[in-house]
Amino acid sequence: EAGVTQSPRYAVLQEGQAVSFWCDPISGHDTLYWYQQPRDQGPQLLVYFRDEAVIDNSQLPSDRFSAVRPKGTNSTLKIQSAKQGDTATYLCASSHAENSDYTFGSGTRLLVI
Amino acid sequence: TQTVSQSDAHVTVFEGDSVELRCNYSYGGSIYLSWYIQHHGRGLQFLLKYYSGNPVVQGVNGFEAEFSKSDSSFHLRKASVHWSDSAVYFCAVSANNYAQGLTFGLGTRVSVFP
Repeated sequence: EAGVTQSPRYAVLQEGQAVSFWCDPISGHDTLYWYQQPRDQGPQLLVYFRDEAVIDNSQLPSDRFSAVRPKGTNSTLKIQSAKQGDTATYLCASSHAENSDYTFGSGTRLLVI
Repeated sequence: TQTVSQSDAHVTVFEGDSVELRCNYSYGGSIYLSWYIQHHGRGLQFLLKYYSGNPVVQGVNGFEAEFSKSDSSFHLRKASVHWSDSAVYFCAVSANNYAQGLTFGLGTRVSVFP
């Protein structure tokens, strides 16, 4: 089966620019997660969906970050006005709500200068 | 809320050596525990998980982990490491419902020398 696909692989921005990350989860996985992983740290959950519904976005900086999953399949994470502190790898993962293992994508590495 | 502590930031071993990576957690309820491996520039790959039953769980590539409720620990072990085991290892916990998202530790970098 195909894995979780993320694009782009890399992004370099100046502060204030916008960027979007795209994730295609494993077919049939109803739950999709976005994590932020700063350099030399563990991933931190930003938001997760079950189908098209946001279940928890409490860790998403709502003033600049947004995430959607309109058809319950692919998802987009957007940063409206990037800051240097957003420099990190953004990981997407998917699972089935009935207790299956998580599958992670390779991530998008963002550098904000 | 649950927390995860990985006390070793970096571990250096030689091929053929055994290795143990420590993970301690804090949470008062039912908990799912898991380990992931991350090679440089890659996403995370699942190694193993524990929720209930036999406290020693077997994972991929010869890894195993042992759950201890009394110590609030879930240490990862491998009897004989290979150079390809060089990576960062993350311990993760999820409360009650595994599909609610994972809380990760800071990770332990393992360097295996020939």
